[in-house]
Order: sequence, then structure tokens, then C-alpha cells
Amino acid sequence: AQSVTQLDSHVSVSEGTPVLLRCNYSSSYSPSLFWYVQHPNKGLQLLLKYTSAATLVKGINGFEAEFKKSETSFHLTKPSAHMSDAAEYFCVVTAGDYNQGGKLIFGQGTELSVKP
Amino acid sequence: GAVVSQHPSRVICKSGTSVKIECRSLDFQATTMFWYRQFPKQSLMLMATSNEGSKATYEQGVEKDKFLINHASLTLSTLTVTSAHPEDSSFYICSASDAKRVGRETQYFGPGTRLLVL
Repeated sequence: AQSVTQLDSHVSVSEGTPVLLRCNYSSSYSPSLFWYVQHPNKGLQLLLKYTSAATLVKGINGFEAEFKKSETSFHLTKPSAHMSDAAEYFCVVTAGDYNQGGKLIFGQGTELSVKP
Repeated sequence: GAVVSQHPSRVICKSGTSVKIECRSLDFQATTMFWYRQFPKQSLMLMATSNEGSKATYEQGVEKDKFLINHASLTLSTLTVTSAHPEDSSFYICSASDAKRVGRETQYFGPGTRLLVL
């Protein structure tokens, strides 16, 4: 069965310092992995996705993530945090191949705080 | 591209009334739409999956007679919360995907609807 674990429920960084949000997954097949961001009372915005192409994936707003199969990880990073990055981040994995109806499995979320 | 809208963004209703939430894909054909519920400080919980022209598939524990889903066209799905009660108050989010396009596993999310039942 597929699952995803976000290792930190809350991360706090200072503006201008690097961001690391950790995600580990479990999958019995080759999954697609995503990072979504949610600002308060808003929907989810796709940051980036991995779909078996390049293992280093670049997304919007300077974020990137590296798929490491040996470590079953898909950590999200950004070299320099901005105040506007403060939000909830979700690591997401596809529940199966598309015969599973395209369902997604969500991590519990990591709240990122950015201090001035 | 890949924009999903929801209407209304916020609704307050009295207990016992029904509320309809619309989810539209604005610039692509959504062969599949998903409805989620999110409680404060929690992750998204999938309620149901709807495919255009067929009945929705509900997740375990979700009452299909309580949460009516209709996916009548390739750009519109509706969720109707029937006989709403205070415990139905929540943030409802829809998403859409297009099985015909490359990257079909990607879901694009609407902005959400905040429902408050008094």
C-alpha cells in the first residue's frame, strides 16, 4: 500500500535562510509525487511534481525537490526563504496506477513559518 | 492553464437546509473530479471521486445520500450537502484532472468553499 509521511508538522526558519521540508513515501510501484502549498483559507497550489523523469525537480517560486528512490524520500528545498512562503505544505503520492482512479494520498502537512 | 473555480467561496446556512457547491474547470476538460473535506489544521480527506456521466464513487464512511455529487459535464461537478447540520461545517475543496492529457495524474485544486451550518 502507498503512504506518505511528512516528518515535521511545523518548521520555522528566518527570512533568507534555506528551507527543508522532509517527506518519505512508501510505494509498491513507481509513484508520481507532488508538493502542494496551501495558504490560509485557500485551495492547494501545485509547486512541483515528479513523474519518473529527472530526479531533481524544479518548481515554482524557487522550490525544488529531489526524488531518492534508495531513501524513499522526496524532500522539498528552497535556498532562501521569503515571508510569502509561510503556508502549509503537503507532500502527495499517487495511490496507484491510473486504474486506481487517479486518487492521491496526502501527507499530514508541514506548516512553514518564516521569521523576519 | 488548468484553473479550477469553486462557488460559493463561503456559505452560511441554517441547520436542516441543503447547500450546493459548484466546481468548474475553466480551461480544460475534467474527466475526473474529486471532492475533499478539510478540518482545521488537518490534511485533506477524500470524500468521493466523480467521472463525467457516471455515478460518483464514495470513500468508506462518506454517506452518499448526505453528500450528493453530480458530474453532468466535462467542466462542472456539484456537491450538495443535504439537510446540513453543524457537524457538516468544514472547508470543502474540489480538484479536477484530465485523463486525456499528458500528466493526467496531476490534480488541480479549486480555492475551496467554507461551509458554516448554524
